[in-house]
Amino acid sequence: QKEVEQNSGPLSVPEGAIASLNCTYSDRGSQSFFWYRQYSGKSPELIMSIYSNGDKEDGRFTAQLNKASQYVSLLIRDSQPSDSATYLCAVNVGTGGFKTIFGAGTRLFVKA
Amino acid sequence: DTAVSQTPKYLVTQMGNDKSIKCEQNLGHDTMYWYKQDSKKFLKIMFSYNNKELIINETVPNRFSPKSPDKAHLNLHINSLELGDSAVYFCASSQDRRREQYFGPGTRLTVT
Repeated sequence: QKEVEQNSGPLSVPEGAIASLNCTYSDRGSQSFFWYRQYSGKSPELIMSIYSNGDKEDGRFTAQLNKASQYVSLLIRDSQPSDSATYLCAVNVGTGGFKTIFGAGTRLFVKA
Repeated sequence: DTAVSQTPKYLVTQMGNDKSIKCEQNLGHDTMYWYKQDSKKFLKIMFSYNNKELIINETVPNRFSPKSPDKAHLNLHINSLELGDSAVYFCASSQDRRREQYFGPGTRLTVT
């Protein structure tokens, strides 16, 4: 089992819809979770970090964490064509939680 | 002001050569990282330094040698370059070892 798993997609949604991106992880002791967005040819940029169970909202983005199920998700409301990118889930693992493991990423296409 | 900067942005070189990539952050962060993103876009950690101390050293050929002269700088020297070293190398920094990371623009290394 991979340490951090994401559906590679592509995930295609119409403009204005909700995009739902999912991620599972294997280290039950993980405490830090992140979502990054990466446009083609660019570097990853942080969208959101989440450390506690439940939902965390920031504008059109909501991160959801369920440590019991070892599951973290990202919802994008009112999706825009400019949201088309690869979304990377990242989880800190190991003793002390110092090592960040990235998932392979989910490609999102938002159709105008 | 660029938060995390890398030089050079592009590096084209021949097999067997030695090259260096430099990284600087002006965020006052304690922790810096080197990542490799291969042709399949998978982002994998190589090294991490915290306050100039090496804390993560993944299974990376010893041809790769990081060096952190101070908290704001992390350089990567690569000896005897091989074709398989071709990738995009990202530098990143974070406030501490468990927090979100901020990435530099990347260095695209092509070994011919």
